Amino acid sequence: EAGVAQSPRYKIIEKRQSVAFWCNPISGHATLYWYQQILGQGPKLLIQFQNNGVVDDSQLPKDRFSAERLKGVDSTLKIQPAKLEDSAVYLCASSLEEQAYYGYTFGSGTRLTVV
Amino acid sequence: GNSVTQMEGPVTLSEEAFLTINCTYTATGYPSLFWYVQYPGEGLQLLLKATKADDKGSNKGFEATYRKETTSFHLEKGSVQVSDSAVYFCALRKGNQGGKLIFGQGTELSVKP
Repeated sequence: EAGVAQSPRYKIIEKRQSVAFWCNPISGHATLYWYQQILGQGPKLLIQFQNNGVVDDSQLPKDRFSAERLKGVDSTLKIQPAKLEDSAVYLCASSLEEQAYYGYTFGSGTRLTVV
Repeated sequence: GNSVTQMEGPVTLSEEAFLTINCTYTATGYPSLFWYVQYPGEGLQLLLKATKADDKGSNKGFEATYRKETTSFHLEKGSVQVSDSAVYFCALRKGNQGGKLIFGQGTELSVKP
């Protein structure tokens, strides 16, 4: 099966600019996640979707980050305006079910550098 | 709250050495436990998992046993290869929290020929 697709792979922007990332999950996976991985740290959940509804966005900095999942398939994550501390790898993952015994499938990530 | 703690890296080993990466967790109830691996420049890949106490997950020569009494899920491999050089993440997942994965900070492994 095709994996989780993300684009772009790399992005360099200046602080206060905006940026958007795209994710296409594995076909049929109802649950989609966006994680932020800062260098040297484990990934941290930003937002979780179940189909096109938000399940958990408690760690999303809503003053600058937004995400949507139209039609319960593709998803976009946007940052506006970006700060230096947003430099990280943004990982998208999808899962067949919410059940705990399933792992996720991760995409390759988008590496964002804010200068 | 729920959390995962891993041994600090980097861990440097010679080829064919024995590997142990310690992982302990804090959680209520019975989480599922996972090890993910991240090779340079790539996303995270599921390495192995265990869903209940005393389960042993295994894959590619790696093993980890779910020890509820010690709240641990240590990763082991009998003979590492240069190709095992990567960052390893321990994680837990609970269904009643919407299924999100909670990760440790990662342990970098470097295997020298």
